[in-house]
Amino acid sequence: SQTIHQWPATLVQPVGSPLSLECTVEGTSNPNLYWYRQAAGRGLQLLFYSVGIGQISSEVPQNLSASRPQDRQFILSSKKLLLSDSGFYLCAWSGASGTSAHNEQFFGPGTRLTVL
Amino acid sequence: GEDVEQSLFLSVREGDSSVINCTYTDSSSTYLYWYKQEPGAGLQLLTYIFSNMDMKQDQRLTVLLNKKDKHLSLRIADTQTGDSAIYFCAEMRMNRDDKIIFGKGTRLHILP
Repeated sequence: SQTIHQWPATLVQPVGSPLSLECTVEGTSNPNLYWYRQAAGRGLQLLFYSVGIGQISSEVPQNLSASRPQDRQFILSSKKLLLSDSGFYLCAWSGASGTSAHNEQFFGPGTRLTVL
Repeated sequence: GEDVEQSLFLSVREGDSSVINCTYTDSSSTYLYWYKQEPGAGLQLLTYIFSNMDMKQDQRLTVLLNKKDKHLSLRIADTQTGDSAIYFCAEMRMNRDDKIIFGKGTRLHILP
């Protein structure tokens, strides 16, 4: 069965510090991967998605970047955090186009980031 | 606009039915989803409906789709305290690389 992991679960960082959040998926190959941010009282905002290694699409201009160094690893980074980067970051995967799992997204447990 | 719209809050007495409504904008949407998020956790897919269906029932959950009005609803029968969560409506848009677009979520509060 497939599982998706995120770490750390919680993180408190000062403004201006770097960030690295990691997401890994097990039990599937060539997944589509997604990073979302859920700010307090707001819905989900899609930040990045990836259909393959090294292929990253950015949805909104921002202070963050994403990388996919391996098929089942997705990393969210920042060189200098802003206060507005605080939120709940969710990683998700779906099957590649044409697979049975393409039409669903499966979410990780999330990382709660607080920037002070 | 391009938003998926849903009300932010809903309060329901335990044992009553909950109906959470959603409107979407893209007529090319293929799948429509309801996700549940419990406090501090990720999103869990509750159910989804293909756009050529009108209704889907799964135990206490009933999804109704009015494609003409682009209206989706989730009915939870016999609402229980464990149903307290945020419920997200979402649509998959074929003209946006099959990305899933989420609403802002409806927080369901259960009254004793």
